[in-house]
Amino acid sequence: DAGVTQSPTHLIKTRGQHVTLRCSPISGHKSVSWYQQVLGQGPQFIFQYYEKEERGRGNFPDRFSARQFPNYSSELNVNALLLGDSALYLCASSHRESYNEQFFGPGTRLTVL
Amino acid sequence: DQQVKQNSPSLSVQEGRISILNCDYTNSMFDYFLWYKKYPAEGPTFLISISSIKDKNEDGRFTVFLNKSAKHLSLHIVPSQPGDSAVYFCAASASGTYKYIFGTGTRLKVLA
Repeated sequence: DAGVTQSPTHLIKTRGQHVTLRCSPISGHKSVSWYQQVLGQGPQFIFQYYEKEERGRGNFPDRFSARQFPNYSSELNVNALLLGDSALYLCASSHRESYNEQFFGPGTRLTVL
Repeated sequence: DQQVKQNSPSLSVQEGRISILNCDYTNSMFDYFLWYKKYPAEGPTFLISISSIKDKNEDGRFTVFLNKSAKHLSLHIVPSQPGDSAVYFCAASASGTYKYIFGTGTRLKVLA
């Protein structure tokens, strides 16, 4: 079985641009979560979606948005990019919305110049 | 406000010995805890979890201990192997919040 896949693997953008990151969960997983990881820190929670509904949101500005599609894949959108948005963006999927392990993808490395 | 703390940024252990990684938390509402391992250029890999109704969970070489009164958990790896060299993150979740709070990680180096 394929694990969690993310695309693209690397991305370079300039300040003010918009970016869309994509995630495909493990087959059968209905929950997708997004995390931001900056160098030297642990992953920071951005969003969780379960059965296409937003279940949780971290302390991120409204420039960050996400959605989940009927096939449970997900997109993370970031508008008006800032230099501080440069990070590794991780997607994780799980069977249930809580009390279970999350399986992470390899991440998308975003660099904002 | 760092609710989950891993105060040791790095740890070196000889192959075959025990590795003990520690994690402290401040939010008493946390009731589910996980440990992840991360290699460079890869996403975190799930290792082991524990709910607050238990104080110990074991899976092969990995054991997690939870001390609720001290708000402390630890991961024991016995015996340590060079392939265990990675960054280890603990994470915590509270019922109904649907999010996991991660610590800053501990880099483990197992020396051959």
